[in-house]
Amino acid sequence: DAGVIQSPRHEVTEMGQEVTLRCKPISGHNSLFWYRQTMMRGLELLIYFNNNVPIDDSGMPEDRFSAKMPNASFSTLKIQPSEPRDSAVYFCASSFSRGDIQYFGAGTRLSVL
Amino acid sequence: KQEVTQIPAALSVPEGENLVLNCSFTDSAIYNLQWFRQDPGKGLTSLLLIQSSQREQTSGRLNASLDKSSGRSTLYIAASQPGDSATYLCAVPHGGSQGNLIFGKGTKLSVKP
Repeated sequence: DAGVIQSPRHEVTEMGQEVTLRCKPISGHNSLFWYRQTMMRGLELLIYFNNNVPIDDSGMPEDRFSAKMPNASFSTLKIQPSEPRDSAVYFCASSFSRGDIQYFGAGTRLSVL
Repeated sequence: KQEVTQIPAALSVPEGENLVLNCSFTDSAIYNLQWFRQDPGKGLTSLLLIQSSQREQTSGRLNASLDKSSGRSTLYIAASQPGDSATYLCAVPHGGSQGNLIFGKGTKLSVKP
């Protein structure tokens, strides 16, 4: 398996634009996680899904952020409208089940100007 | 609220030295604890996962211990090599959740040849 695949690797956009980040988890994994990493706050969980169902979205900063998992092999994290403070590295991870080792993608580095 | 602390924030050692990285957590009711490695510009790689019922886990030159009662874990690296240079993060699940990981800010390790 190629591991967790995220796209794009880098995204530069202007304030107010919509941004969509994509993630393909490892085949057979039932849990998928979205994280955000910044220098100030470190690595924080935004939302996680189990069997395509959102279980905990308490980390989603505000209504501008939304995440979907329409099937077991694809998830999106959308920011609309984007703001400069959203600039960070966004990671997707997957695991066989919630308590198992999480495998991370390479991340998407987002810069909102 | 669970908080995870890693000290020191940065560590520089000469090649060949044995070293210990520390992780502490405030809520001892954890399901497991994971140690990750992050290389610059990359995602996280899981190194070791210790279940709450275990005291330690070993993988090659790495040994992680867990003392739930005192809220501490250590990662021991034997005979360090320049290739071990990276940021090491520990993480525990939040509350009763098995998926919502709370991360420390990490220890940035530099092993000098």
